[in-house]
Amino acid sequence: DAGITQSPRHKVTETGTPVTLRCHQTENHRYMYWYRQDPGHGLRLIHYSYGVKDTDKGEVSDGYSVSRSKTEDFLLTLESATSSQTSVYFCAISESLGTANTEAFFGQGTRLTVV
Amino acid sequence: AQKVTQAQTEISVVEKEDVTLDCVYETRDTTYYLFWYKQPPSGELVFLIRRNSFDEQNEISGRYSWNFQKSTSSFNFTITASQVVDSAVYFCALSGSASGYALNFGKGTSLLVTP
Repeated sequence: DAGITQSPRHKVTETGTPVTLRCHQTENHRYMYWYRQDPGHGLRLIHYSYGVKDTDKGEVSDGYSVSRSKTEDFLLTLESATSSQTSVYFCAISESLGTANTEAFFGQGTRLTVV
Repeated sequence: AQKVTQAQTEISVVEKEDVTLDCVYETRDTTYYLFWYKQPPSGELVFLIRRNSFDEQNEISGRYSWNFQKSTSSFNFTITASQVVDSAVYFCALSGSASGYALNFGKGTSLLVTP
């Protein structure tokens, strides 16, 4: 199994509070991604990173920010949590893009509930 | 723009039946990659297969087979002699330069195999 650890695995937070989710990898993969999974929507890309301090927005980036100060860590921050951000969040890593090694490996997910 | 459509939201079969999960995609990229992932009830995402756009050869892996047809923009997944352990949500995904090579997922097909 790819070495990907998401923390926390479960979190309940109040509306309006900031929340940070952490993704840690031991594979030294260049690319890291944050997705959210919601019923009826599949997985949707929030942000991704293509290197240290290099990030870009995905399909549903509003209300989220990310940071990658080290290769192994990719942080997702909800600046002011809202109930619409209640979801399961998945981190993924990939060795390369647009090549034969393009598959992504996923963490176990973080279930976030905003009340 | 890239889009993946999994028209079948839910499928229910009896054990030992064959079942095909449909996946239709849209992309303007000439080089792209197609994937299938499995999400069992435990929630993790398991990589099943990657197919490159320039390789239309079909693939078989045990009871699993995949049919890639560029002419119809389809990448269908067939499970032969289904088993209860095949019960899961299955996601088709597309990766290409139009999305920065991040995976673009369909909404998933929930497969239930009953004894």
